[in-house]
Parts: sequence; C-alpha cells; structure tokens
Amino acid sequence: GDSVTQMEGPVTLSEEAFLTINCTYTATGYPSLFWYVQYPGEGLQLLLKATKADDKGSNKGFEATYRKETTSFHLEKGSVQVSDSAVYFCALIPSGGYQKVTFGIGTKLQVIP
Amino acid sequence: GAGVSQSPSNKVTEKGKDVELRCDPISGHTALYWYRQSLGQGLEFLIYFQGNSAPDKSGLPSDRFSAERTGGSVSTLTIQRTQQEDSAVYLCASSPDTGGDTEAFFGQGTRLTVV
Repeated sequence: GDSVTQMEGPVTLSEEAFLTINCTYTATGYPSLFWYVQYPGEGLQLLLKATKADDKGSNKGFEATYRKETTSFHLEKGSVQVSDSAVYFCALIPSGGYQKVTFGIGTKLQVIP
Repeated sequence: GAGVSQSPSNKVTEKGKDVELRCDPISGHTALYWYRQSLGQGLEFLIYFQGNSAPDKSGLPSDRFSAERTGGSVSTLTIQRTQQEDSAVYLCASSPDTGGDTEAFFGQGTRLTVV
C-alpha cells in the first residue's frame, strides 16, 4: 500500500538557519504530494502541495519539489524563524482516487532565537 | 461555519465506557474523513464519507469503532467499551469533492484520554 517516510525529529535549529526535512514516498501511479503543518495548539493546515512530477510547491518561504525519479518531496526553507516552530507532516493522495491522505509520522521543528 | 468544528475538544473517560465524538464539516463539503493521531505516530486513516455513505471503512481498528454521517453534514464517531489504547487525538477533515488535487481542511481535533 501507499506509504510516506519522513525524517524523525525533533529538529532543533537556530533562527536564520537552513532547513531540510526529508520525505520519500511509495505509491503507484502519480500521487499528489503535500506538506501539512501543525502549530502548537492548532489544527493541521496545508502548507504546500505539488500534483505532478517536477512541480514545486511553495508557501511562506517553504519549498518542496516533486521528484518522481527519487520518489521524494523534501521540504526546505532558507532561513527559519522562531514562528516556524511546529510539527510538519509529509503526505500523499493517490492518483485517480478519493482524497484518502496518507501521512508520514511528522517531524517536530524547534527554532531557537 | 468558517472551518471544521469538532467537539468536545477534550474528553476523559473511564475504560469500558462509550464515547461519541462529533464533527461539523465546512458547509457544502461532500467528503468527510476521520483520522487518529497517537503519540509518536503519524496520522492514521479511520474512515471516509462521501455524502452519507462510507465507501471506505478500512481504517477502523475494531468493531468497537463506528461512524455515521447524517444529512451529508455532521458526522459522529462512536467508540464502544473504550480501552486505554484508544487514547489519541481524533481529527476530522472535509473537502469539497474527491478530486486528488483538492485540499482537505482539518478540525482542531478531540483529545481522548481513557483512564
């Protein structure tokens, strides 16, 4: 079945550091790929998405590129802020089906001043 | 409403009791999903509704779990004879249709603690 593997945290970075959170997936066909974010005390929010190979999703300074050849969708940000501290979930929706979202385990990011 | 609403936000129950968790999706959203988020685990799919029917119940962990949706709107997840391993955050999401490109909007969840 479909699966998403992402690096386990927690990840602790200093403000303005470069962030990479790795995510790889297993799925048939061409799934849509997503990053969701969960800020402390809040619900899940969609951060960005990409629906086909080589697409780049971006939002709030975060970027992720859909790499079919490596089945990856790594999340990056050039300069993190304290306000980026949250749990980040990589996810996929299979192609041609309803929106059953398969999530990774989540990576907790803590940014310190 | 403006977003997906879940109630209660927190629920503490004794082992063996039944609990009901409620989800009010965004008005007009035809698809509704229940997920479970356990400590240290990812989000686990439980059940999906399209309208009032549930084409996929494959994620329900046991026959103690059931869910229904009425009027194409509100959904209730019922857990009978709760066990300690049922302790988790139960998340509901809705989306306007079932296209793979469509965003799912999540509620804030119900934190269930079974003591």
